[in-house]
Amino acid sequence: AQSVTQLGSHVSVSEGALVLLRCNYSSSVPPYLFWYVQYPNQGLQLLLKYTSAATLVKGINGFEAEFKKSETSFHLTKPSAHMSDAAEYFCAVRGEDNYGQNFVFGPGTRLSVLP
Amino acid sequence: DTAVSQTPKYLVTQMGNDKSIKCEQNLGHDTMYWYKQDSKKFLKIMFSYNNKELIINETVPNRFSPKSPDKAHLNLHINSLELGDSAVYFCASGEVGFDSYNEQFFGPGTRLTVL
Repeated sequence: AQSVTQLGSHVSVSEGALVLLRCNYSSSVPPYLFWYVQYPNQGLQLLLKYTSAATLVKGINGFEAEFKKSETSFHLTKPSAHMSDAAEYFCAVRGEDNYGQNFVFGPGTRLSVLP
Repeated sequence: DTAVSQTPKYLVTQMGNDKSIKCEQNLGHDTMYWYKQDSKKFLKIMFSYNNKELIINETVPNRFSPKSPDKAHLNLHINSLELGDSAVYFCASGEVGFDSYNEQFFGPGTRLTVL
């Protein structure tokens, strides 16, 4: 069965600093991977997705993620943090059964941006 | 034009009561989901419906029952509410298929508080 781990339940960065949120997955089939963002008191919004077309994926709000098969990782980065990036970030992998109907989400990483 | 909508946004009720949460999607997707997010932000899939058929039913108490009158709606009914049911419940929808990326679109959530 698939699983997703996110190292660091809480990450703090200064405004303008690099953001790095870590995601590692396990899957017995080539994975489809996703990053979602949840702003306070809101639902989840898709940031970006990896679908095997390119290993470096660009998403919204200046975020990008790189798929590394050898490391089974899909880390999320942003060169310069903005105060508005403060939110909860979830990494997810598409399920292996039932045509990938089931998503498996990581536990989430809360990003704080300090002025 | 909200893609996935839920009502109510907040629900406060007493233990032992029965309540329902409604969800509607206007994206034309064939699969809808219910997730539970606990106080630690962990997301757990509860149910999914594909063309009016229950496809996934995780280890959820049978006090919870999804009801889908048509493929645009998936309501969640909860009987005999317990304190531990307090959480945020998210509805989501997606397009499922062997060649589908299965990106899921989330509603804004319903915060359920059981007193």
